[in-house]
Amino acid sequence: DLRMTQSPSSLSASVGDRVTITCHASQDITNYLNWFQQKPGKAPKLLIYDASNLETGVPSRFSGSGSGTDFTFTISSLQPEDKATYYCQQYDNLPITFGQGTRLEIK
Amino acid sequence: EVQLLESGGGLVQPGGSLRLSCAASGFTFTNYAMNWVRQAPGKGLEWVSVISGSGAGTYYADSVKGRFTISRDNSKNTLYLQMNNLRADDTAMYYCAKEGRSSVSAPGIDYWGQGTLVTVSS
Repeated sequence: DLRMTQSPSSLSASVGDRVTITCHASQDITNYLNWFQQKPGKAPKLLIYDASNLETGVPSRFSGSGSGTDFTFTISSLQPEDKATYYCQQYDNLPITFGQGTRLEIK
Repeated sequence: EVQLLESGGGLVQPGGSLRLSCAASGFTFTNYAMNWVRQAPGKGLEWVSVISGSGAGTYYADSVKGRFTISRDNSKNTLYLQMNNLRADDTAMYYCAKEGRSSVSAPGIDYWGQGTLVTVSS
């Protein structure tokens, strides 16, 4: 199965900081990558699709980049409501696979 | 507005069975593949199964192959997951998730339901 390695597993940052999360695929997935946000007790929410496209209604401080095997998710200016766990997910091949998640805390 | 509402979860003994349902609305159900994804308590997301829009194509994670069966009734806009021979490590929140942007080989995911909790314990 295609393996998605996400890092870091957790991080703590201050309001206004720029935050970056990376996701590495074990093989080329072109740009078939989603980024999700999950808050405690809630379902995941799609933020970025096709590696770099912002889902409708998602604030522009969220962005994604990359292609092939290496991808980056960025929050340009961290807000208190961004406290959550973030997951990457590939849909180049079945089985669909997720990164292990990044828990983001606010200092 | 897309809505996905799961039901059917609960407490079941090891070796038992459950059938989960997901009622969909707000989109043309038959046009989209549908997935089941689960999340064990305090853990990450694990994809379980997918079914094509017509219902003709299905695919399973190795961890559930031969025990779980995905199906859909397009006349009722409802997705199902029949779970047999349940084990303790099947304990999880089970989410249904709609196909979003997709590749040729696999569906992406956009919308998720709120989930239904399955607990396998004696």
